[in-house]
Amino acid sequence: AQSVTQLDSQVPVFEEAPVELRCNYSSSVSVYLFWYVQYPNQGLQLLLKYLSGSTLVKGINGFEAEFNKSQTSFHLRKPSVHISDTAEYFCAVSDPDSWGKLQFGAGTQVVVTP
Amino acid sequence: EAQVTQNPRYLITVTGKKLTVTCSQNMNHEYMSWYRQDPGLGLRQIYYSMNVEVTDKGDVPEGYKVSRKEKRNFPLILESPSPNQTSLYFCATRQSSTDTQYFGPGTRLTVL
Repeated sequence: AQSVTQLDSQVPVFEEAPVELRCNYSSSVSVYLFWYVQYPNQGLQLLLKYLSGSTLVKGINGFEAEFNKSQTSFHLRKPSVHISDTAEYFCAVSDPDSWGKLQFGAGTQVVVTP
Repeated sequence: EAQVTQNPRYLITVTGKKLTVTCSQNMNHEYMSWYRQDPGLGLRQIYYSMNVEVTDKGDVPEGYKVSRKEKRNFPLILESPSPNQTSLYFCATRQSSTDTQYFGPGTRLTVL
């Protein structure tokens, strides 16, 4: 069975500052890794994903994440945030053989202030 | 435009009154699923369907039913809703070639 831990429930950050959201997972098999963003009163939108290949993955809106197999981590980063990045961010994993079931973390609320 | 639609978007009901939340997709995806989102718990899978007439339980199926009679539709049925089913519900489809899931806008359900 897989599990996902997002280490911070809330991250306050000033506009134009960098942000890092931490995600650790546990799994006995190889996994696919995802970050989703949920803006207020909206559904989930895929930010980026890691399936294989380069461990540094670039996504939309200037976000990137690095897969670290030895540390079982997939932390999300953005070098300079905007007010519009205020949202909840979810890390998720899936087992390639599980027909697409996503196991989500509890979420990290990012609040960007001027 | 590729879309996953859910109806209704908001629903307030009372304990025991049967309800159905519809989900429809126009992407011809075989895989569809339902999740519920609760504060501090993230999203948890309720049911999923790998294709027409093929459904299976997710992590939290108790109190829910689904059906998949057509590829595009995957309704979620609460036969006798209870207050602990008050939640935000998301339908999702999966594009198997890219392993990307697309989520609907959500249905906020309150059971009194």
